[in-house]
Amino acid sequence: DTAVSQTPKYLVTQMGNDKSIKCEQNLGHDTMYWYKQDSKKFLKIMFSYNNKELIINETVPNRFSPKSPDKAHLNLHINSLELGDSAVYFCASSPLRGSSGNTIYFGEGSWLTVV
Amino acid sequence: AQSVTQLGSHVSVSEGALVLLRCNYSSSVPPYLFWYVQYPNQGLQLLLKYTSAATLVKGINGFEAEFKKSETSFHLTKPSAHMSDAAEYFCAVRGTNFGNEKLTFGTGTRLTIIP
Repeated sequence: DTAVSQTPKYLVTQMGNDKSIKCEQNLGHDTMYWYKQDSKKFLKIMFSYNNKELIINETVPNRFSPKSPDKAHLNLHINSLELGDSAVYFCASSPLRGSSGNTIYFGEGSWLTVV
Repeated sequence: AQSVTQLGSHVSVSEGALVLLRCNYSSSVPPYLFWYVQYPNQGLQLLLKYTSAATLVKGINGFEAEFKKSETSFHLTKPSAHMSDAAEYFCAVRGTNFGNEKLTFGTGTRLTIIP
């Protein structure tokens, strides 16, 4: 069973469209994250949720909106897609907040291409 | 703020040779340090982590890393490179402040194995 699963894995869409990436973890973790990996492979956090509560919101355009219906799911919705949004988006999860030594587990990534 | 610096964006070694990937950290408090590996078109997999226990940490696939406070380093090594080690390697530091336990990644090192 996949611990952190994301869908879709590949997504090609036109500028101006709205799209969503879904993420689910079956590890029983409390904290979930979205990271973005750009074309130079640089990884940067976008959002973090703990038990459906937003706790980290980096400098991300308002077009990006995370939604956590429950602690096992963290979806990413992107409005009015731009060429610069093309990247790989990784969902991740980790156990209890306040336990920084715990591992953060990553999904397989969602490759978004905006044309 | 915590950060890591990976020296060398590309490293090439011959099959069977020593692998050494460098990572230096900056942190005002004892850090939690991680090495992740990313194979082509795949997600991030944890290789090993340092969480203030033993300074020499052994990970998967024969990799190990040594935490050296005096040098603020956490270099990744493997005695004998294998073709399957070709991948992108990321060093990361995790925040310890409650509510900011995100992973901050280095810029990555692409490891190429020469037959």
